[in-house]
Amino acid sequence: DTAVSQTPKYLVTQMGNDKSIKCEQNLGHDTMYWYKQDSKKFLKIMFSYNNKELIINETVPNRFSPKSPDKAHLNLHINSLELGDSAVYFCASRTLTGGAFFGQGTRLTVV
Amino acid sequence: DAKTTQPTSMDCAEGRAANLPCNHSTISGNEYVYWYRQIHSQGPQYIIHGLKNNETNEMASLIITEDRKSSTLILPHATLRDTAVYYCILHTGTASKLTFGTGTRLQVTL
Repeated sequence: DTAVSQTPKYLVTQMGNDKSIKCEQNLGHDTMYWYKQDSKKFLKIMFSYNNKELIINETVPNRFSPKSPDKAHLNLHINSLELGDSAVYFCASRTLTGGAFFGQGTRLTVV
Repeated sequence: DAKTTQPTSMDCAEGRAANLPCNHSTISGNEYVYWYRQIHSQGPQYIIHGLKNNETNEMASLIITEDRKSSTLILPHATLRDTAVYYCILHTGTASKLTFGTGTRLQVTL
């Protein structure tokens, strides 16, 4: 069983479109994250949720809206996609004292 | 979270131990040292973490100096599959962010 799963794995879309990425973890973790990895391979935190509540929003444009319907899910919706949004997006989860487990990533390409 | 400093890259021969250093001279008393790695095109993978005692698991060993200002991740018998970028991160036991730096690119060679 995959611990942290993201869908889709690949996403190619046109500028201006709205898209969503889904994330689910079956580890019973309280904390979930979204990270963005750009073409230079730098991993940058976007959002952190704890028990469905937003803890961190790292000055991400408000076109990005995370939603956590329950502790096991953290979805990312992106409005009006721009070329600069092209990146790999990683979801992760962890307990407060343990290591984080990452999904396999969603490679978003905006054309 | 306090900052860490790692070498940009390292090489290691297959079968040898890979020793990856990390400096964290401004570490706070409640910060743990975490190590992750990212193999090409995959999500980061948790390896090990510790507070002040040395730790060992099936993947690696973590040696933390007595003053906690530096640590070393040891892969006892490196294989080609250990080629990856290794990140040393400091973190408290809270829901706050894990801040990734540039890490050390480890290249394991035949």
